Amino acid sequence: ETGVTQTPRHLVMGMTNKKSLKCEQHLGHNAMYWYKQSAKKPLELMFVYSLEERVENNSVPSRFSPECPNSSHLFLHLHTLQPEDSALYLCASSQEGGITEAFFGQGTRLTVV
Amino acid sequence: GIQVEQSPPDLILQEGANSTLRCNFSDSVNNLQWFHQNPWGQLINLFYIPSGTKQNGRLSATTVATERYSLLYISSSQTTDSGVYFCAVAGSGGGADGLTFGKGTHLIIQP
Repeated sequence: ETGVTQTPRHLVMGMTNKKSLKCEQHLGHNAMYWYKQSAKKPLELMFVYSLEERVENNSVPSRFSPECPNSSHLFLHLHTLQPEDSALYLCASSQEGGITEAFFGQGTRLTVV
Repeated sequence: GIQVEQSPPDLILQEGANSTLRCNFSDSVNNLQWFHQNPWGQLINLFYIPSGTKQNGRLSATTVATERYSLLYISSSQTTDSGVYFCAVAGSGGGADGLTFGKGTHLIIQP
């Protein structure tokens, strides 16, 4: 398998649930990212990992918790979300932390009920 | 942070027409990419073009970094070209900046 893959593709969760989004890249990159795309808003950068260390957290609420166990895998742990957190969550990877071409996964469409 | 503005926000064309999408950015960039978002939400890479001109079939792009803008040209449009086109940039500060996206151009190609 090549490129960037995300699972699951769709997720419906209640506000009291805990779930995790998974991202895996097969491009040999050393930086990975989480983005959020809400309706009628630009894509927003949430988290950046470079060489498995978090280098940026754009004031994201603590109910979103990222984890990067190695350079190929990235998780986004979700707990006690709100309905306004419903969005498309996109994972991306690149080499050398953002100054080369980035590639995106297919996204996880999250609905919080 | 760096600002990205795309124009026009919406564009409706007949099949076969040509179109030009514009991206203005507010500061020097190390990375500029054009994406097409398909109906399922995936971002498809069109061009990685921090400067210069590239062509891929009916699509071409030009970035004039000194004047802080990029243009995406689509010639002989097809209905499958419909969708949202995003410009995204990363600043020249180096490191893991991630991409800053514009709001996109929603293109509709009518048969």
